[in-house]
Amino acid sequence: QVQLRESGPGLVKPSETLSLTCTVSGGSISGYHWGWIRQSPGKGLEWIGYVLYGGSTNYNPSLRSRLAISVDTSKNQLSLQLNSVTAADTAVYYCARRSLISNSGWFDPWGQGTLVTVSS
Amino acid sequence: DIVMTQSPDSLAVSLGERATINCKSSQSLLYSSNNKNYLAWYQQKPGQPPKLLVYWASTRESGVPDRFSGSGSGTDFTLTISSLQAEDVAVYCCQQYYTTPYTFGQGTKLEIK
Repeated sequence: QVQLRESGPGLVKPSETLSLTCTVSGGSISGYHWGWIRQSPGKGLEWIGYVLYGGSTNYNPSLRSRLAISVDTSKNQLSLQLNSVTAADTAVYYCARRSLISNSGWFDPWGQGTLVTVSS
Repeated sequence: DIVMTQSPDSLAVSLGERATINCKSSQSLLYSSNNKNYLAWYQQKPGQPPKLLVYWASTRESGVPDRFSGSGSGTDFTLTISSLQAEDVAVYCCQQYYTTPYTFGQGTKLEIK
């Protein structure tokens, strides 16, 4: 059974870069699509972006200019980098596997999530 | 962006009773070429990540109890729990994947009356 676990600093200063890693265990990261979703405290879910198994990416336009998502197949890891963060980027960040069926887009399974706080 | 609006925001239902959660999209999620609705439902218990319940608006994910069912088409969708169990207390949210950016409903908090 595939399991995902996010890791990274829990506190990031404003204007700096948020870097998270998602380690996939119990299965290969290759051949699948992967995504990031975040949830601000007390708010709903926000799709950040995804990377397809071929390497192409699709980002939320609201974050596109600051965002990079990539996969390291040698480490079975997914990564997220978000530049120039502000307090508005404070959230629980989840990694998840996106459905493989062409033109679909649900997420399952999800990691447990990691809280990132942006504060000086 | 497609806006997803759920109703109600919170709901209290007695054990064994039916719970109904609604999700409305700002544009149709029905893809005419395959007659599929591009909508998923998730369950999120406190301190846990979302868990996929339903995709294609009405296809139950493997392992999800059959008391959960999804219905609807176009812009109006419903998640129904036919007989509420104590373990169903959670926040439920819908997600459209008709187009990017994918968007989620604000969530409906389900409690026991």
